[in-house]
Amino acid sequence: AQKVTQAQTEISVVEKEDVTLDCVYETRDTTYYLFWYKQPPSGELVFLIRRNSFDEQNEISGRYSWNFQKSTSSFNFTITASQVVDSAVYFCALSDTGRRALTFGSGTRLQVQP
Amino acid sequence: NAGVTQTPKFRVLKTGQSMTLLCAQDMNHEYMYWYRQDPGMGLRLIHYSVGEGTTAKGEVPDGYNVSRLKKQNFLLGLESAAPSQTSVYFCASSRQFSWSPLHFGNGTRLTVT
Repeated sequence: AQKVTQAQTEISVVEKEDVTLDCVYETRDTTYYLFWYKQPPSGELVFLIRRNSFDEQNEISGRYSWNFQKSTSSFNFTITASQVVDSAVYFCALSDTGRRALTFGSGTRLQVQP
Repeated sequence: NAGVTQTPKFRVLKTGQSMTLLCAQDMNHEYMYWYRQDPGMGLRLIHYSVGEGTTAKGEVPDGYNVSRLKKQNFLLGLESAAPSQTSVYFCASSRQFSWSPLHFGNGTRLTVT
């Protein structure tokens, strides 16, 4: 069975601080895909990134970066120089090759104070 | 380009009442899903469909039924609403590949009193 754990329920930082959101996953498959979604206060769910299990290269997109480590089954998300607009709930999700749907973690609420 | 559209946006039901949530997508996606979001529990899969005329149970299917008569529509029904079904419901669609991200609607906030 698949499982995604986001142990950090809520994180509060001050603007311009760096923050890392943790994601740990469990799967028996060798081929799988990991996703991050953002849910701002307006409520919609926005796709941020996808990684496959064969590509452990870190990815950077502007102030966002992702660290995928198969050895620790983790796919962590770092926001550099956080801004108030980064305040949202962030979800990590997992899909395998037999997938019929994504399995989501419970989410981490990030509050960035001005 | 509407993407995924959910109706209604809000609804209040009394215990025992029934209702149908409608989801429509215009991206020609094969897969469609219904999730519910509750505080501290993330998104949990209720039912899903891998194509027109097919449906399957997810993680929390009890008390819900679904139908996918047309490829672009996925309906979620509550036959006899219960307070435990108070939640935010999200519909999503995706292409039929494991790597395809889900595209979500804006959600329906349902309160059962």
